[in-house]
Amino acid sequence: GENVEQHPSTLSVQEGDSAVIKCTYSDSASNYFPWYKQELGKRPQLIIDIRSNVGEKKDQRIAVTLNKTAKHFSLHITETQPEDSAVYFCAASTNNNDMRFGAGTRLTVKP
Amino acid sequence: KAGVTQTPRYLIKTRGQQVTLSCSPISGHRSVSWYQQTPGQGLQFLFEYFSETQRNKGNFPGRFSGRQFSNSRSEMNVSTLELGDSALYLCASSRDPGPVLHNEQFFGPGTRLTVL
Repeated sequence: GENVEQHPSTLSVQEGDSAVIKCTYSDSASNYFPWYKQELGKRPQLIIDIRSNVGEKKDQRIAVTLNKTAKHFSLHITETQPEDSAVYFCAASTNNNDMRFGAGTRLTVKP
Repeated sequence: KAGVTQTPRYLIKTRGQQVTLSCSPISGHRSVSWYQQTPGQGLQFLFEYFSETQRNKGNFPGRFSGRQFSNSRSEMNVSTLELGDSALYLCASSRDPGPVLHNEQFFGPGTRLTVL
């Protein structure tokens, strides 16, 4: 089955800096890659997703890139703000909706 | 539109007991997935149901089971509880329009299970 690895497990940045989180996946049939943000005590919420027919997607300060050949995808957050502090999860799934998540990255943005 | 709901929100059980958790998806969503979340372990996939059938299964022992009803509501059951089953159990629903597109999974608030 699919195996998703996520790095780093913790990331601390200064407000205004950029943050990058990287994930790799094992199943070449995976074609959907969402990213979720989970604040303390809350449920995970989708922040951006990318499909395998696209190499990059941007939404304001958030962007995701996908390299299908290397089987890795990354989340980029620019101009970080304290409210970006949370745990971020990457995930991958095939057409069968069998979503597999990475272990998460705890992002801390210091004011 | 109401979001995904889960009941109960909190549950305390003792080892050896069994537990049933419930998840009501967003109206119109036919796929329900279950996850176990423990500190440092991320979201571990349990299983996914679609049209009352288990379509996908993660690597959990047979003590973990589930089902889905005709109204898409889903339940998961854990028998012979162990201390290590203490976790937040999240369910997520999606529309599942078919193999071409994928839809966002919307998560419920979770059920926090404590096994003593």
